[in-house]
Amino acid sequence: DVKVTQSSRYLVKRTGEKVFLECVQDMDHENMFWYRQDPGLGLRLIYFSYDVKMKEKGDIPEGYSVSREKKERFSLILESASTNQTSMYLCASSRGTGHAPLHFGNGTRLTVT
Amino acid sequence: GDSVTQMEGPVTLSEEAFLTINCTYTATGYPSLFWYVQYPGEGLQLLLKATKADDKGSNKGFEATYRKETTSFHLEKGSVQVSDSAVYFCALPENTGFQKLVFGTGTRLLVSP
Repeated sequence: DVKVTQSSRYLVKRTGEKVFLECVQDMDHENMFWYRQDPGLGLRLIYFSYDVKMKEKGDIPEGYSVSREKKERFSLILESASTNQTSMYLCASSRGTGHAPLHFGNGTRLTVT
Repeated sequence: GDSVTQMEGPVTLSEEAFLTINCTYTATGYPSLFWYVQYPGEGLQLLLKATKADDKGSNKGFEATYRKETTSFHLEKGSVQVSDSAVYFCALPENTGFQKLVFGTGTRLLVSP
Protein backbone atom coordinates (compact mmCIF):
# COMPACT_ATOMS: atom_id res chain seq x y z
CA ASP A 1 0.00 0.00 0.00
CA VAL A 2 1.16 3.51 -0.81
CA LYS A 3 2.09 5.50 2.22
CA VAL A 4 2.28 9.27 2.24
CA THR A 5 3.62 10.56 5.53
CA GLN A 6 3.37 14.13 6.73
CA SER A 7 5.81 14.93 9.48
CA SER A 8 3.40 16.68 11.86
CA ARG A 9 -0.32 16.29 12.57
CA TYR A 10 -0.56 19.57 14.48
CA LEU A 11 1.69 22.61 14.37
CA VAL A 12 1.42 25.97 16.11
CA LYS A 13 3.63 28.80 14.88
CA ARG A 14 3.89 32.53 15.43
CA THR A 15 3.32 35.20 12.81
CA GLY A 16 6.51 35.87 10.86
CA GLU A 17 8.11 32.52 11.52
CA LYS A 18 9.48 30.41 8.69
CA VAL A 19 7.59 27.12 8.64
CA PHE A 20 8.53 23.85 6.97
CA LEU A 21 5.96 21.14 6.25
CA GLU A 22 7.49 17.85 5.18
CA CYS A 23 5.97 15.06 3.12
CA VAL A 24 7.47 11.69 2.19
CA GLN A 25 6.02 9.00 -0.09
CA ASP A 26 7.30 5.46 -0.38
CA MET A 27 6.05 4.38 -3.81
CA ASP A 28 8.46 6.08 -6.18
CA HIS A 29 5.71 8.38 -7.49
CA GLU A 30 6.68 11.05 -9.96
CA ASN A 31 4.01 13.58 -8.98
CA MET A 32 3.64 15.25 -5.61
CA PHE A 33 1.17 17.94 -4.55
CA TRP A 34 0.45 20.33 -1.71
CA TYR A 35 -3.15 21.37 -1.06
CA ARG A 36 -4.75 23.42 1.63
CA GLN A 37 -8.23 22.58 2.85
CA ASP A 38 -10.53 25.21 4.31
CA PRO A 39 -14.23 24.95 5.25
CA GLY A 40 -16.47 25.94 2.37
CA LEU A 41 -13.56 26.20 -0.05
CA GLY A 42 -12.67 22.56 -0.51
CA LEU A 43 -9.15 21.71 -1.61
CA ARG A 44 -6.99 24.31 -3.30
CA LEU A 45 -3.71 23.44 -4.96
CA ILE A 46 -0.70 25.39 -3.73
CA TYR A 47 2.17 23.81 -5.65
CA PHE A 48 2.93 20.56 -7.36
CA SER A 49 5.98 18.78 -8.71
CA TYR A 50 6.20 16.25 -11.50
CA ASP A 51 9.88 15.40 -11.07
CA VAL A 52 12.86 16.03 -8.83
CA LYS A 53 13.77 19.72 -8.72
CA MET A 54 10.72 20.56 -10.86
CA LYS A 55 7.85 22.62 -9.48
CA GLU A 56 4.77 24.31 -10.81
CA LYS A 57 2.51 26.87 -9.18
CA GLY A 58 -0.98 25.83 -8.37
CA ASP A 59 -3.98 28.07 -7.77
CA ILE A 60 -2.79 29.80 -4.59
CA PRO A 61 1.03 29.88 -4.47
CA GLU A 62 1.40 33.32 -2.87
CA GLY A 63 3.24 33.19 0.42
CA TYR A 64 4.51 29.65 -0.17
CA SER A 65 7.46 27.95 -1.78
CA VAL A 66 8.40 24.30 -2.23
CA SER A 67 11.43 22.10 -2.49
CA ARG A 68 11.89 18.70 -4.08
CA GLU A 69 15.51 17.62 -3.84
CA LYS A 70 14.71 13.91 -3.72
CA LYS A 71 11.95 12.01 -5.47
CA GLU A 72 10.32 10.81 -2.27
CA ARG A 73 10.26 14.12 -0.40
CA PHE A 74 8.30 17.30 -1.09
CA SER A 75 8.55 20.20 1.32
CA LEU A 76 6.21 23.16 1.66
CA ILE A 77 7.72 26.34 3.04
CA LEU A 78 5.89 29.30 4.49
CA GLU A 79 8.51 32.04 4.21
CA SER A 80 6.86 34.29 6.80
CA ALA A 81 3.78 32.73 8.34
CA SER A 82 0.65 34.81 8.60
CA THR A 83 -2.64 34.18 10.39
CA ASN A 84 -4.47 33.69 7.08
CA GLN A 85 -2.29 30.64 6.49
CA THR A 86 -3.94 28.84 9.39
CA SER A 87 -5.37 25.80 7.65
CA MET A 88 -5.22 22.07 7.08
CA TYR A 89 -2.41 21.17 4.66
CA LEU A 90 -2.61 17.96 2.66
CA CYS A 91 0.19 16.36 0.72
CA ALA A 92 -0.51 13.88 -2.09
CA SER A 93 1.41 11.83 -4.62
CA SER A 94 0.60 9.93 -7.80
CA ARG A 95 2.24 8.04 -10.61
CA GLY A 96 3.18 10.11 -13.62
CA THR A 97 1.13 8.22 -16.20
CA GLY A 98 -2.53 7.91 -17.09
CA HIS A 99 -5.26 8.98 -14.72
CA ALA A 100 -3.47 7.66 -11.67
CA PRO A 101 -5.27 8.26 -8.39
CA LEU A 102 -3.87 10.63 -5.80
CA HIS A 103 -2.68 9.16 -2.51
CA PHE A 104 -2.99 11.57 0.39
CA GLY A 105 -1.28 11.96 3.71
CA ASN A 106 -3.33 12.51 6.85
CA GLY A 107 -2.75 16.23 6.86
CA THR A 108 -1.05 18.83 9.02
CA ARG A 109 -3.26 21.26 10.87
CA LEU A 110 -1.28 24.48 11.10
CA THR A 111 -2.28 27.29 13.42
CA VAL A 112 -0.52 30.63 13.09
CA THR A 113 -0.99 32.93 16.07
CA GLY B 1 -11.92 26.35 -17.09
CA ASP B 2 -12.74 22.90 -15.86
CA SER B 3 -14.84 22.83 -12.71
CA VAL B 4 -16.91 20.64 -10.43
CA THR B 5 -20.04 21.61 -8.51
CA GLN B 6 -21.28 19.58 -5.57
CA MET B 7 -24.40 19.89 -3.48
CA GLU B 8 -24.06 21.79 -0.24
CA GLY B 9 -23.94 19.80 2.95
CA PRO B 10 -24.25 18.54 5.48
CA VAL B 11 -26.41 15.66 4.39
CA THR B 12 -27.96 14.07 7.46
CA LEU B 13 -29.42 10.57 7.21
CA SER B 14 -30.49 7.73 9.42
CA GLU B 15 -28.76 4.38 9.10
CA GLU B 16 -30.04 2.27 6.16
CA ALA B 17 -31.37 5.32 4.29
CA PHE B 18 -30.69 5.88 0.59
CA LEU B 19 -27.95 8.36 -0.24
CA THR B 20 -27.49 10.64 -3.23
CA ILE B 21 -24.80 13.30 -3.43
CA ASN B 22 -25.03 15.36 -6.58
CA CYS B 23 -22.04 16.30 -8.69
CA THR B 24 -22.02 18.13 -12.01
CA TYR B 25 -19.00 19.15 -14.01
CA THR B 26 -17.82 21.51 -16.72
CA ALA B 27 -14.96 20.24 -18.83
CA THR B 28 -13.44 20.09 -22.26
CA GLY B 29 -13.98 16.67 -23.76
CA TYR B 30 -14.80 13.66 -21.64
CA PRO B 31 -12.38 13.42 -18.73
CA SER B 32 -12.24 10.69 -16.13
CA LEU B 33 -14.34 11.41 -13.06
CA PHE B 34 -13.56 10.54 -9.45
CA TRP B 35 -15.13 10.42 -6.03
CA TYR B 36 -12.81 10.74 -3.05
CA VAL B 37 -13.77 10.26 0.60
CA GLN B 38 -12.23 11.82 3.70
CA TYR B 39 -12.94 10.09 7.00
CA PRO B 40 -12.52 12.10 10.21
CA GLY B 41 -8.88 12.83 10.97
CA GLU B 42 -7.61 11.38 7.73
CA GLY B 43 -6.55 12.47 4.27
CA LEU B 44 -8.61 11.81 1.17
CA GLN B 45 -8.73 8.40 -0.44
CA LEU B 46 -10.09 7.32 -3.79
CA LEU B 47 -13.57 5.83 -3.47
CA LEU B 48 -14.42 5.14 -7.11
CA LYS B 49 -13.84 6.37 -10.63
CA ALA B 50 -15.22 6.20 -14.17
CA THR B 51 -13.09 6.76 -17.23
CA LYS B 52 -15.66 7.22 -20.00
CA ALA B 53 -19.28 8.09 -20.64
CA ASP B 54 -21.86 5.58 -19.32
CA ASP B 55 -19.23 3.88 -17.16
CA LYS B 56 -20.34 3.02 -13.64
CA GLY B 57 -17.78 3.16 -10.88
CA SER B 58 -18.47 1.21 -7.71
CA ASN B 59 -16.82 0.44 -4.38
CA LYS B 60 -17.94 -0.35 -0.81
CA GLY B 61 -21.61 -0.27 -1.90
CA PHE B 62 -21.27 3.18 -3.47
CA GLU B 63 -21.97 3.74 -7.16
CA ALA B 64 -21.71 6.61 -9.61
CA THR B 65 -22.54 6.68 -13.32
CA TYR B 66 -20.79 8.97 -15.79
CA ARG B 67 -23.61 10.81 -17.60
CA LYS B 68 -22.32 12.99 -20.42
CA GLU B 69 -25.83 14.14 -21.41
CA THR B 70 -26.34 15.79 -18.05
CA THR B 71 -22.61 16.28 -17.26
CA SER B 72 -23.19 14.58 -13.94
CA PHE B 73 -21.56 11.96 -11.74
CA HIS B 74 -23.90 11.59 -8.77
CA LEU B 75 -22.82 9.35 -5.89
CA GLU B 76 -25.39 6.85 -4.58
CA LYS B 77 -25.61 4.19 -1.92
CA GLY B 78 -28.65 2.08 -1.22
CA SER B 79 -28.22 1.74 2.55
CA VAL B 80 -25.82 3.95 4.46
CA GLN B 81 -24.05 3.00 7.67
CA VAL B 82 -22.79 5.14 10.53
CA SER B 83 -19.27 4.33 9.33
CA ASP B 84 -20.01 6.14 6.04
CA SER B 85 -20.01 9.47 7.87
CA ALA B 86 -17.31 11.43 6.07
CA VAL B 87 -16.74 14.22 3.58
CA TYR B 88 -17.13 13.26 -0.08
CA PHE B 89 -15.36 15.07 -2.92
CA CYS B 90 -16.08 14.88 -6.62
CA ALA B 91 -13.07 15.53 -8.89
CA LEU B 92 -11.84 15.56 -12.46
CA PRO B 93 -8.43 16.07 -14.12
CA GLU B 94 -7.56 19.57 -15.27
CA ASN B 95 -7.14 19.86 -19.01
CA THR B 96 -3.62 21.24 -18.75
CA GLY B 97 -1.38 18.31 -19.61
CA PHE B 98 -0.32 18.00 -15.99
CA GLN B 99 -1.99 15.39 -13.83
CA LYS B 100 -3.76 17.78 -11.51
CA LEU B 101 -7.24 17.27 -10.18
CA VAL B 102 -9.96 19.85 -9.76
CA PHE B 103 -12.01 19.12 -6.63
CA GLY B 104 -15.49 20.12 -5.64
CA THR B 105 -15.97 21.81 -2.28
CA GLY B 106 -16.94 18.55 -0.60
CA THR B 107 -20.20 17.32 0.92
CA ARG B 108 -20.29 16.22 4.54
CA LEU B 109 -22.42 13.15 5.26
CA LEU B 110 -23.63 12.49 8.79
CA VAL B 111 -25.31 9.15 9.45
CA SER B 112 -27.04 8.57 12.76
CA PRO B 113 -27.94 5.16 14.26
